[in-house]
This record gives sequence, C-alpha cells and structure tokens, in this order.
Amino acid sequence: AQKVTQAQTEISVVEKEDVTLDCVYETRDTTYYLFWYKQPPSGELVFLIRRNSFDEQNEISGRYSWNFQKSTSSFNFTITASQVVDSAVYFCALKGMDSSYKLIFGSGTRLLVRP
Amino acid sequence: NAGVTQTPKFRVLKTGQSMTLLCAQDMNHEYMYWYRQDPGMGLRLIHYSVGEGTTAKGEVPDGYNVSRLKKQNFLLGLESAAPSQTSVYFCASTPGYGGRYNEQFFGPGTRLTVL
Repeated sequence: AQKVTQAQTEISVVEKEDVTLDCVYETRDTTYYLFWYKQPPSGELVFLIRRNSFDEQNEISGRYSWNFQKSTSSFNFTITASQVVDSAVYFCALKGMDSSYKLIFGSGTRLLVRP
Repeated sequence: NAGVTQTPKFRVLKTGQSMTLLCAQDMNHEYMYWYRQDPGMGLRLIHYSVGEGTTAKGEVPDGYNVSRLKKQNFLLGLESAAPSQTSVYFCASTPGYGGRYNEQFFGPGTRLTVL
C-alpha cells in the first residue's frame, strides 16, 4: 500500500526563522514521484516541486529547498528566512507506477508565519 | 489557456437534493480526477478517468457518480446529497504524455455545504 505521512499538523514560527516540513512516504514501487503543493488561504493548490525516485539530489529554489532521502523514505521541505506570505497549508504527495497517475496525499501541515 | 475550471465555486444543498459539479480543461489532457478535501485529511480521490468515455473508482467513491463523455469535461454527480458530503471538491488533470506527463493541474475548487 502507498501512504504519505505528514506528522506535523501545525507549525508556528516568527518571520525570518527557518522551518522544515516533514514528509515520510511508503511505497513498494521502485519508481515513483514525490510532490509538494502549497495551499494558501485563498484555497487554490500551487505546485511547488516534483522529484523522481532516481534523483536524490537536493534541490534549492530561492528560499525553498528539498531534501530527498530514500534511505529514510523522506522528502522534507525547508523554508529559509520565512515570510508572512509563506503562511499556508503544505501537502506532500506520492505517485507510484499505477497507470492511473493518481496522487496519494498526506494530511498536510499548516504553517503560520507571524510577523 | 484557462487551465482547469470548476463550476460552481460555491453551493449549498439540502439533504437529499442532487447536483452536478462540472470540471473543464482546455489543455487536451488525457487524465482527470475528482478529489475531496476535508479538514485534517488532505485530499482523497473520489473518481478518476484515464480517457474519454472511461471512469474508475478512487478511494472514497460512495455516494458519487462521474461521467466523461467529452475529453475536456469531467462531471461529478451527487444523486442524494448527505451532510457527510460537505467538503471542498477539487478537479485535476494530467497530460499523460510529454515532459510534464504526470504532473497534476488543479482547478480552483468548489465549496459544497449540505444542510
């Protein structure tokens, strides 16, 4: 069975702090994809990153970085120098080799960045 | 391109009423999905379609029906609405080909309340 666990339900930080959102996944597939989505208060889902299981290089995009570790089945997301606009719910998701291309979502982590 | 659009954006129903949610995409995507989002549970897949004229059940299909008569449209029906179907509904589509073949593009969501 495939599963995504985001154990942190809510995180509150003060602006400019660094924050890491955890994501742990389970799958028996050897090829799979991991995603992060952001859901701001306006409600839409914003795609942040896609990573395939063969690429374990960490990725950095501005203040965002992602740490993919197959050994621990984790795909963690770090925001450096957080800003109030980063306040949102963040979802981690998994896609296996099922031909339907459907995503399995974690329950999400609500991040509140206080000024 | 409008991307993925959903109609309506908001709806209030009484228990037992029926309604249809419309999802449309103008990107010529093969795959389409309906998810529901409930507090603390992330997004769960209701039904999906891998091409025009096809539909399949997802994780939580009970109480819903779908149809994909045209490639660009995916309809979600509630025959007899129940309070447990109060949720935010998201439609998504995936190309199934090309460089972004398994990335899901989401609509803005429909907030449904069943009284």
